[in-house]
Amino acid sequence: GQQVMQIPQYQHVQEGEDFTTYCNSSTTLSNIQWYKQRPGGHPVFLIQLVKSGEVKKQKRLTFQFGEAKKNSSLHITATQTTDVGTYFCAEGGSNYKLTFGKGTLLTVNP
Amino acid sequence: DVKVTQSSRYLVKRTGEKVFLECVQDMDHENMFWYRQDPGLGLRLIYFSYDVKMKEKGDIPEGYSVSREKKERFSLILESASTNQTSMYLCASSLPGANSPLHFGNGTRLTVT
Repeated sequence: GQQVMQIPQYQHVQEGEDFTTYCNSSTTLSNIQWYKQRPGGHPVFLIQLVKSGEVKKQKRLTFQFGEAKKNSSLHITATQTTDVGTYFCAEGGSNYKLTFGKGTLLTVNP
Repeated sequence: DVKVTQSSRYLVKRTGEKVFLECVQDMDHENMFWYRQDPGLGLRLIYFSYDVKMKEKGDIPEGYSVSREKKERFSLILESASTNQTSMYLCASSLPGANSPLHFGNGTRLTVT
């Protein structure tokens, strides 16, 4: 898999504020998957993006895949304490190797 | 719901010991994976298998081997444990195909002293 850079590494917000994490690559990504890992838990699959410019929504979460397929973002509107955790992007290829970004740790102050 | 079960949540072993980490999935998934997760380094792929008796090296296979004798079980073996193998080990499984979403187990936190 290719290397994907994820920013920011950490983000602390007040409950109700929005949050965005970005996943960037210097080369074209075949597809992007997003996972969430709660503190003490294991990564849980959220969504997969495949098409250029694709936008998908899950309640307060909005996922985007860039037009050039070199970046992706996850945006959370009006964060809640249940959103706390580490969000990972992962790039998949044809060789079964899913390469994970280093994640963004989100903490939410109630 | 897919269930991926790792045999131990916590494990403490001594340097030089042979260590077996077991993973079982109940959804008849073809693909199985072993990752390790370390602070600041994220998740790194050790080995994966896309069929029984098949195995492929991931990005950091050194010091590890794997066994997949049955479809539902994927074992990670540390032939001679070292302190730098202290880590959280995560097993995952997925449907056939290169980009199927992963279903992770709860992880095994291994400490090598």
